[in-house]
Amino acid sequence: EPEVTQTPSHQVTQMGQEVILRCVPISNHLYFYWYRQILGQKVEFLVSFYNNEISEKSEIFDDQFSVERPDGSNFTLKIRSTKLEDSAMYFCASSGTELGPQHFGDGTRLSIL
Amino acid sequence: AQKITQTQPGMFVQEKEAVTLDCTYDTSDQSYGLFWYKQPSSGEMIFLIYQGSYDEQNATEGRYSLNFQKARKSANLVISASQLGDSAMYFCAMREDNYGQNFVFGPGTRLSVLP
Repeated sequence: EPEVTQTPSHQVTQMGQEVILRCVPISNHLYFYWYRQILGQKVEFLVSFYNNEISEKSEIFDDQFSVERPDGSNFTLKIRSTKLEDSAMYFCASSGTELGPQHFGDGTRLSIL
Repeated sequence: AQKITQTQPGMFVQEKEAVTLDCTYDTSDQSYGLFWYKQPSSGEMIFLIYQGSYDEQNATEGRYSLNFQKARKSANLVISASQLGDSAMYFCAMREDNYGQNFVFGPGTRLSVLP
């Protein structure tokens, strides 16, 4: 069964450094998302992406965040200058239709030191 | 106000028994979708089941069924014949069609299946 893949599974970064989290959505999906889950808390929406542009973003997704689809398969989340509070599990998801189920990757655990 | 409420932070169930995980939601949209995800201790998010607001039948997927009561705004997940591998966090999520594609997640219920 096709799946969303995320790399790396765990990223450790010094505060203030830039980090790029990578995702390969399911190949025929058109809608892409990033969510985050701070340890022990609920999953929070960051951004959705369709037709090569951001369609929605939450208050969390401020100027230090950006997303990109650099080629036909990858979907990346960049955090420009990481802060301690960016430590979380980051999930990429994709869906084939606008209103259908979103399929999540296994997540990238980001630890900011 | 919370969009998704899961009132059971933790639940225990005996192996092979059925269990119901509660979810209530708050929306003024007529068109929305309700989803359940499972998060094992390894951390991944696994899609389980989906119910559209206009679906007349309750959704079922194998051992999972969704008890959808639209007037009460509840979408409880029923797991039949629990297995030890069902021990995990379970999240209820909603997408409101007038608010775009993003999901709002509930706080989750931790299910523990006892042998």
